[in-house]
Amino acid sequence: AQSVTQLDSHVSVSEGTPVLLRCNYSSSYSPSLFWYVQHPNKGLQLLLKYTSAATLVKGINGFEAEFKKSETSFHLTKPSAHMSDAAEYFCVVSGGGSQGNLIFGKGTKLSVKP
Amino acid sequence: EPEVTQTPSHQVTQMGQEVILRCVPISNHLYFYWYRQILGQKVEFLVSFYNNEISEKSEIFDDQFSVERPDGSNFTLKIRSTKLEDSAMYFCASSVPQGLGGEETQYFGPGTRLLVL
Repeated sequence: AQSVTQLDSHVSVSEGTPVLLRCNYSSSYSPSLFWYVQHPNKGLQLLLKYTSAATLVKGINGFEAEFKKSETSFHLTKPSAHMSDAAEYFCVVSGGGSQGNLIFGKGTKLSVKP
Repeated sequence: EPEVTQTPSHQVTQMGQEVILRCVPISNHLYFYWYRQILGQKVEFLVSFYNNEISEKSEIFDDQFSVERPDGSNFTLKIRSTKLEDSAMYFCASSVPQGLGGEETQYFGPGTRLLVL
């Protein structure tokens, strides 16, 4: 069965400093992995996705994530945080099948201090 | 850029009442989904729908729930007799099937916040 664990429920950084949001997954096959972001009172927006192509995936707003099979990780990073990055971030794994359901992590709330 | 829309944004209802949550998926998408997020908990899959029938559903999606695509554009989730524990944010999503040159990425709507009193 597929699962995803987000290691931090809350991360706080200062504006201009790097962001690291950690995610580990468990999957019985080669997974598709996603990061979604949810700003307050907004829907879930796709940041980036990994689907067995390049292991370093670039997304929107300067975010990127690296798929590391040996570590079963898919951490999300950004070199320099911006105030507008404050939101909740979800690591997601595809549940299986060609159009499977998505399995969400618990989410990491990112705060950005001025 | 096309997007998934949902109405209403908020709904308050009395326990035992029926509610219908509406979604308009992206127009060329063929797979449709409902998820829910109870306050403070994970986003959970409810159901997926393709070719006018349910393709997959979770344990949460019991006989109180039903989905329908009544007119080729809307996709609805009906809760027949709401319970207090149905209070949650409900998200609709849609995607293009991989086999038709699409990808499995699901695009989400902004959600409907349902409060059952």
